[in-house]
Amino acid sequence: DVKVTQSSRYLVKRTGEKVFLECVQDMDHENMFWYRQDPGLGLRLIYFSYDVKMKEKGDIPEGYSVSREKKERFSLILESASTNQTSMYLCASSHLPTASGANVLTFGAGSRLTVL
Amino acid sequence: AQSVTQPDIHITVSEGASLELRCNYSYGATPYLFWYVQSPGQGLQLLLKYFSGDTLVQGIKGFEAEFKRSQSSFNLRKPSVHWSDAAEYFCAVGQHGDNQGGKLIFGQGTELSVKP
Repeated sequence: DVKVTQSSRYLVKRTGEKVFLECVQDMDHENMFWYRQDPGLGLRLIYFSYDVKMKEKGDIPEGYSVSREKKERFSLILESASTNQTSMYLCASSHLPTASGANVLTFGAGSRLTVL
Repeated sequence: AQSVTQPDIHITVSEGASLELRCNYSYGATPYLFWYVQSPGQGLQLLLKYFSGDTLVQGIKGFEAEFKRSQSSFNLRKPSVHWSDAAEYFCAVGQHGDNQGGKLIFGQGTELSVKP
């Protein structure tokens, strides 16, 4: 089974703290993604990476950074957490798109972050 | 720009009744289309996908969806709903010709409740 593991299911942090959300996949996927999920807004893409040390901004990158030092690991970093970053964060991975089309994303269980 | 709209935020159906969840997309070319389901406290699981070919696609758990280009729609259907189908459902579109990211744009989600 393809597995995407997010190490922290629930976190509570204080405003101004630096926060690390870790994601590991075990299927040798090239692509990795960080989405943020909020009620009524669906999932919004924060950052994605299609190769080690490569990163691309998604739709809402402000206040976030990412790190991909190894193929299987993709970290989301909140340099200085704010209350408006309280949310559910979902990591996903996939192979590169094939000639026939986009590839399927496999998601982790999510990390629910509360910033006080 | 691409977008996905799920007009119904919340739907309630009786167990055994039929279900249709609506999804409309905005995209200039043939899209890649997906439906994902999220059970409480879980990540997203793929229900079905459309890349090309037959416009009626079958998925897991008895779900199907029909791609209608003329209506820019990809509605999800199930003939008889089970209580275990209560969850949040997300429609998503993939970018044609996205040779790197394969990233998806998601709708706002539809929460399904099932009455006994």
